[in-house]
Amino acid sequence: DIVMTQSPDSLAVSLGERATINCKSSQSLLYSNKDFLAWYQQKPGQPPKLLISWASTRESGVPDRFTGSGSGTAFTLTISSLQTEDVAVYYCQQYYSTPQTFGQGTKVEIK
Amino acid sequence: EVQLVESGGGLVQPGGSLRLSCAASGFTFSGHWMHWVRQAPGKGLVWVSHISGDGGTITYADFVKGRFTISRDNAKNTLYLQMSSLRAEDTAVYFCVRGIGSGWFDPWGQGTLVTVSS
Repeated sequence: DIVMTQSPDSLAVSLGERATINCKSSQSLLYSNKDFLAWYQQKPGQPPKLLISWASTRESGVPDRFTGSGSGTAFTLTISSLQTEDVAVYYCQQYYSTPQTFGQGTKVEIK
Repeated sequence: EVQLVESGGGLVQPGGSLRLSCAASGFTFSGHWMHWVRQAPGKGLVWVSHISGDGGTITYADFVKGRFTISRDNAKNTLYLQMSSLRAEDTAVYFCVRGIGSGWFDPWGQGTLVTVSS
């Protein structure tokens, strides 16, 4: 199974500041020039919501302050200017192989 | 609007059984792989099982193999998870999710809580 490791486990960022979440995979997720990685946001008491697929393709309706980057085994989710509504746990997920696996999650809070 | 609505969760004793259902609407159900993902209280997301659109391909996580059975009824637009020999560590919210493209999940149902306890 591919192991996904996120860092940090939690971070506190001031409103309007940048939040950066890292995700590393135990093997490359790159195939045919595409990275098989998605990012999800889970707010308290809610199911996860898809933010980004293919490592950097933002879903329709997702604010452009959310940016996915990276390739191979190292990926990043950046929130360029943190808003109150961004308080959540963020998960990366690989879909390169079954079983699809998730990172352990990163909790983002307001400082 | 695409919707997934789970039902069937509840309290069950260790060794017991439970069947979860997921009613899908707003999309061509038979055209999508469907998955179950679970989340233990205060913990992260763990993929449990998936089934192809025609039901011909099924895979399970090792920790449920031989105990859980995924199935679907495309005429009823419904996904199922039959769970047996339940253990305390199966306690979790179980999410029904639609598979998109090569394997990401969108959307997620609200989830149904399964509690295994005596």
